[in-house]
Amino acid sequence: GQSLEQPSEVTAVEGAIVQINCTYQTSGFYGLSWYQQHDGGAPTFLSYNALDGLEETGRFSSFLSRSDSYGYLLLQELQMKDSASYFCAVLNRDDKIIFGKGTRLHILP
Amino acid sequence: EAQVTQNPRYLITVTGKKLTVTCSQNMNHEYMSWYRQDPGLGLRQIYYSMNVEVTDKGDVPEGYKVSRKEKRNFPLILESPSPNQTSLYFCASRERDKTQYFGPGTRLLVL
Repeated sequence: GQSLEQPSEVTAVEGAIVQINCTYQTSGFYGLSWYQQHDGGAPTFLSYNALDGLEETGRFSSFLSRSDSYGYLLLQELQMKDSASYFCAVLNRDDKIIFGKGTRLHILP
Repeated sequence: EAQVTQNPRYLITVTGKKLTVTCSQNMNHEYMSWYRQDPGLGLRQIYYSMNVEVTDKGDVPEGYKVSRKEKRNFPLILESPSPNQTSLYFCASRERDKTQYFGPGTRLLVL
């Protein structure tokens, strides 16, 4: 089967760093994406990793290890506006995108 | 402006009354999908389309129909809505291997 596992909730302090992990099981793997969704809004794209390693985009970085079927999203210098749900998603060989159930990030002042 | 639009944004209906949620994208994307989002269940794919006249079932297709007669439009049809179809629905589009763009969402309540 196909599945993605990510923590349901994570709490961190403003200004700190937080890492959201994602492990996946899929039939043929092309890449791992991360999406952010604020309450009442639509998911928006953050990053995509097709190869092993770290991709950095401003305060956000995403990592992939294909051999471990594992990736993470790293958020640095947390701001209150980063409070949202974060979804990892796998693009598989059937050309389908499968989403995890999401991680709700709570940020404390 | 590149975007995915959905209509209506909010809909209250009654069991059994057929409805259609429209979706349109102006980015000439080949791939379009419908998702439903329920608390604790994340985004689950209902149907997707890889091009005009090519559609396939996602993970939760029961009770839904779609069509892709034009590249830009991908309507979601509920022939006989039931209360368990009360949900938040998102349409999305993308090119192959590329970023997926989501519409603003449609909140549906079936009484």
